[in-house]
Amino acid sequence: DIEMTQSPSTLSASIGDRVTITCRASQTISIWLAWYQQKRGKVPKLLISGSSSLQSGVPSRFSGSGSGTEFTLSISSLQPDDFATYYCQQYHTFQTFGQGTKVEIK
Amino acid sequence: EVQLLESGGGLVQPGGSLRLSCAASGFRFGAYGMSWVRQPQGKGLEWVSGITYGGDTTFYADSVRGRFTISRDASKSTVDLQMNNLSAEDTAVYYCAKWGEQCHSSTCYKPFDYWGQGTLVTVSS
Repeated sequence: DIEMTQSPSTLSASIGDRVTITCRASQTISIWLAWYQQKRGKVPKLLISGSSSLQSGVPSRFSGSGSGTEFTLSISSLQPDDFATYYCQQYHTFQTFGQGTKVEIK
Repeated sequence: EVQLLESGGGLVQPGGSLRLSCAASGFRFGAYGMSWVRQPQGKGLEWVSGITYGGDTTFYADSVRGRFTISRDASKSTVDLQMNNLSAEDTAVYYCAKWGEQCHSSTCYKPFDYWGQGTLVTVSS
């Protein structure tokens, strides 16, 4: 199976900060990469698919980039509602997740 | 409105079996693949299994292959997960998830746009 590795595991940031999360695939997955946000006690929410396509209703401060094996999720100006855990998922072969990145208040 | 409602979770002894079911509504069930994802308490998401829109192709994570079986019933709009030979490592909340786009081949995979609320499976003696 394709393994997905996210970094960092935890990220401490302040309101207004620019935040970047990295996701690496163990083999090339083209652009078949999605990002999810999960808040405590809630189900995951799809933010981005196809590496960079923002889902309807997702704020434009979120952006994704990358192809092949290296991908990033960026939040341009962190808002209170953005403190959550973020997961990448490859769907090139099956649908495996990264281990998650918790974004917490600094 | 898309709804996914899981059922069948509970407490089971190691080595035992359990069958989860997910009842889907609010979309054309037969047009979308479906998957199961699990999440142990306080830990990350783990993709478990998936099934294509027609049910002809199924796939599994290494951790469950040979023990779990996914199936779907178009007449009932349900997707099931039969889990055998369970161990403590299978303890988790199990989510049913709908693929966000249609696939027209057996080697096509999609991310998930809707999730159920989950059903808790606890494997313990």
